[in-house]
Amino acid sequence: AQKVTQAQTEISVVEKEDVTLDCVYETRDTTYYLFWYKQPPSGELVFLIRRNSFDEQNEISGRYSWNFQKSTSSFNFTITASQVVDSAVYFCALSEDLYNFNKFYFGSGTKLNVKP
Amino acid sequence: DVKVTQSSRYLVKRTGEKVFLECVQDMDHENMFWYRQDPGLGLRLIYFSYDVKMKEKGDIPEGYSVSREKKERFSLILESASTNQTSMYLCASSLYDRRGISGYTFGSGTRLTVV
Repeated sequence: AQKVTQAQTEISVVEKEDVTLDCVYETRDTTYYLFWYKQPPSGELVFLIRRNSFDEQNEISGRYSWNFQKSTSSFNFTITASQVVDSAVYFCALSEDLYNFNKFYFGSGTKLNVKP
Repeated sequence: DVKVTQSSRYLVKRTGEKVFLECVQDMDHENMFWYRQDPGLGLRLIYFSYDVKMKEKGDIPEGYSVSREKKERFSLILESASTNQTSMYLCASSLYDRRGISGYTFGSGTRLTVV
C-alpha cells in the first residue's frame, strides 16, 4: 500500500493565484516525520520543511505554508501568490522509526506549472 | 557549500553493459541512499547504506548492487543493464541523528538511458 499519496499529478495555475498541494500519508507509528521537497527543472531535490508527528502547529515561511492534520493524516502545502519560479515537481515524504536508518517513503509527486 | 555530487548528469549505455553510478558527499554523513525516479511512480529506494561496507536492500533492489568502501562514496552498479533500467537515478545522504530525523541532501541526479 502507498504510504504517501499525492493525488494531484499535475496542477496549472496563473501567476499570483494561490495553490494547495495535497499529501496524505499512512503509518502505524506514533512518532514519524513528514517532509516536502521541491524538484526544479535542474533536477536536484531541495528540502523545504520537516514536521514531527507530535507537533501539529501549522507553519508559514514567506509565501509557503503547511497544514498538518493528524486526524486526516494529511500534510498539505500551500503557495500563496504563486510565481513562475515556483514551477517544479513537489514531493511529500514520510519517515518512520527514528532508528530505521532514516528511510524515506516518497509520494509520486505533483508537478506545478505556474504560467505568467 | 556542502554537496552530494553524482559523477555523471547523463549517461547512455548499451543493453548488457555493466554500469557504475558514482556518488560522493562531503558532509561526513553516515547514511547514503540510491533512488530511481520514474514518471508517476515518484522516488523508489533501491539500496541504502548506514556505514562503510554496510548495505541494505530497499524496495526495488533487483538488477542492482552497491558498494561503499569509503564513508563519502556510495556506488550503484547495474550488473547487466537492461532497457527497463532507463531512469533518473538520485543519490542522497543524511545524518544518523538520534535527536530527530535529518532531511536528505540530494545530488543532481544521473539520467541513464539504456539502448
